[in-house]
Amino acid sequence: GAVVSQHPSRVICKSGTSVKIECRSLDFQATTMFWYRQFPKKSLMLMATSNEGSKATYEQGVEKDKFLINHASLTLSTLTVTSAHPEDSSFYICSAKPVDEQFFGPGTRLTVL
Amino acid sequence: LAKTTQPISMDSYEGQEVNITCSHNNIATNDYITWYQQFPSQGPRFIIQGYKTKVTNEVASLFIPADRKSSTLSLPRVSLSDTAVYYCLVARRDTGGFKTIFGAGTRLFVKA
Repeated sequence: GAVVSQHPSRVICKSGTSVKIECRSLDFQATTMFWYRQFPKKSLMLMATSNEGSKATYEQGVEKDKFLINHASLTLSTLTVTSAHPEDSSFYICSAKPVDEQFFGPGTRLTVL
Repeated sequence: LAKTTQPISMDSYEGQEVNITCSHNNIATNDYITWYQQFPSQGPRFIIQGYKTKVTNEVASLFIPADRKSSTLSLPRVSLSDTAVYYCLVARRDTGGFKTIFGAGTRLFVKA
């Protein structure tokens, strides 16, 4: 199946700093990618839909100024957590759909100290 | 998007067949049913997808009754490595931009 990668796999940062997470589709082009967040023992929560060449669409309750999404090419979307705080510590997962099936990246574990 | 309801958790033993049922009463005509598996600290992995009747692949079977208001994922002869969270999702099979919403999932514990 199609492969979606994420980088880094885990990151630890200090409170107040910004962190960028990359999501790449390795063997297909993705005009749309999705960003999810998952807290321990909880389900995935959709944060936003990333659209290549245009603005991302954020789900209700997700701060667009805090979670900046850039989808600059057909194979790369980035999520930047700005001025991160401990409550932003979570598992961030991206996904993309080449056709019908949705493929997920391996996730990025963010820990904010 | 149709909301899905699944059991919160299930226990099984190695070698048994496990059936996880998901209800999706408000499923729309062009919605498909998809199941994913997730291990801790990993992204979800596609298991199987279907529209109606029965679908089978190398790892599971998916049974969907005629009214499509529920579906059952069947895992034959589970092993300890099948311990994971299983998500049932309903999504439209049209544009690539259609978003997928996850329900609570079912935590399956396989015991020796």
